[in-house]
Amino acid sequence: DQQVKQNSPSLSVQEGRISILNCDYTNSMFDYFLWYKKYPAEGPTFLISISSIKDKNEDGRFTVFLNKSAKHLSLHIVPSQPGDSAVYFCAANNAGNMLTFGGGTRLMVKP
Amino acid sequence: DTEVTQTPKHLVMGMTNKKSLKCEQHMGHRAMYWYKQKAKKPPELMFVYSYEKLSINESVPSRFSPECPNSSLLNLHLHALQPEDSALYLCASSQTGGFTGELFFGEGSRLTVL
Repeated sequence: DQQVKQNSPSLSVQEGRISILNCDYTNSMFDYFLWYKKYPAEGPTFLISISSIKDKNEDGRFTVFLNKSAKHLSLHIVPSQPGDSAVYFCAANNAGNMLTFGGGTRLMVKP
Repeated sequence: DTEVTQTPKHLVMGMTNKKSLKCEQHMGHRAMYWYKQKAKKPPELMFVYSYEKLSINESVPSRFSPECPNSSLLNLHLHALQPEDSALYLCASSQTGGFTGELFFGEGSRLTVL
C-alpha cells in the first residue's frame, strides 16, 4: 500500500514556464513533507519542506503548497530552467526517523 | 562539511562473495540510514542507526548486515547476495531530536550481483 503517491511519472515543460509536480498521501498522521531532487548517478538532495501547520512555503523559485483536507501537496517551480531537469521525490514524515517516499516524477525542462 | 561520502561507487560481486559498503559523515549527525533504490523506484528504507544503535530494521534479509563502528561511520556488510539485490544503495544521515525528515544523502553505491 503506497502511502505517498506521485501519479505523474514524467513531466515536460518549456524553459521559463511553470512546473507543477503533484503528490498525494493517505496517512493523516504525516506532519512534515519534503521534496527531494535527484540527478542521475547522485543521491537525492533536499529541496524544500513544509510542516503540516502551514499551507505554503516558498524558497526562491520553489514553492510548496499543502492541502491537508485533500491530502495533497504540490511543488511549483517558476521560472523553470533546464538545470531543473531531474527526478523529484515527494516524501512524508510522521515523527520518528522514517521518511516515506513517493515514486518520483521525472521533470524535463526544454530550452 | 555537508557531505555524506560512500565507497565504493560501483561494486560487482558474485553470489558467494563477501563485500562491504562504507559510509562516512562529519556533520555531527547521530542518525544514519541505509536505503535501497531500484531503477525507477523510490528509495526504500533498510536500516536506521540512532546514536550508534540499530533502531529500525525494515525486515531486511540477514545477508545484509549493518554496522555502526562510531558516530561518523556506517557499514553495510554483504554476503551471499542474490541477483535481485542489485540496486543503488544510499547512505543518509540526519540530526536526531525533533527529526523533521531532512536527510543528507550520499551519492550511492551501485551494486551488481552476478
